[in-house]
Amino acid sequence: DAGVIQSPRHEVTEMGQEVTLRCKPISGHNSLFWYRQTMMRGLELLIYFNNNVPIDDSGMPEDRFSAKMPNASFSTLKIQPSEPRDSAVYFCASSWGEDQPQHFGDGTRLSIL
Amino acid sequence: DQQVKQNSPSLSVQEGRISILNCDYTNSMFDYFLWYKKYPAEGPTFLISISSIKDKNEDGRFTVFLNKSAKHLSLHIVPSQPGDSAVYFCAATRYSGAGSYQLTFGKGTKLSVIP
Repeated sequence: DAGVIQSPRHEVTEMGQEVTLRCKPISGHNSLFWYRQTMMRGLELLIYFNNNVPIDDSGMPEDRFSAKMPNASFSTLKIQPSEPRDSAVYFCASSWGEDQPQHFGDGTRLSIL
Repeated sequence: DQQVKQNSPSLSVQEGRISILNCDYTNSMFDYFLWYKKYPAEGPTFLISISSIKDKNEDGRFTVFLNKSAKHLSLHIVPSQPGDSAVYFCAATRYSGAGSYQLTFGKGTKLSVIP
């Protein structure tokens, strides 16, 4: 079974550039979550969708961050413009219900120079 | 303010012995707790969970205990195996209705099982 697929696995870019992270959830899952992991703050929930609708984006750090889920099989997390403090590992997870265990992708390691 | 705390950043255990990983939480509204395991360069993998209406849940070598009055949970691994070496994250949820869902993670405990 294909798990949650994230791309790219690694991204290195210069400050000020637009960054787009992509996620394909597990087929049939109707909830999708974006997390960020840093040494200082650990794993933090940024935003989650239920049936493609954003439900809670209170974890999105600022307006430079945006997320979309145009259909049940695809989501993006965009940072524009990027800053060095955005460097982190970004995880996408999905589940077949809001209260069901989440399945994580392998993450995107983002480095902003 | 950390709502889920794993106070031991690391733990070393001999193969075959019991591993006990601890987690404390401060938010009494949390009603569902999970443990995830994470290997390097991979995403966290769900391991076991427990609802606040229970005080124990067992799955093979893994048992999670919940002490609501102490706001404490623990994960026991018996017997420990070298393949259990990973970072273990404790997580808690609060389902507040109206489609709201939050999963709050601790910072993890790195378990090393020594052959």
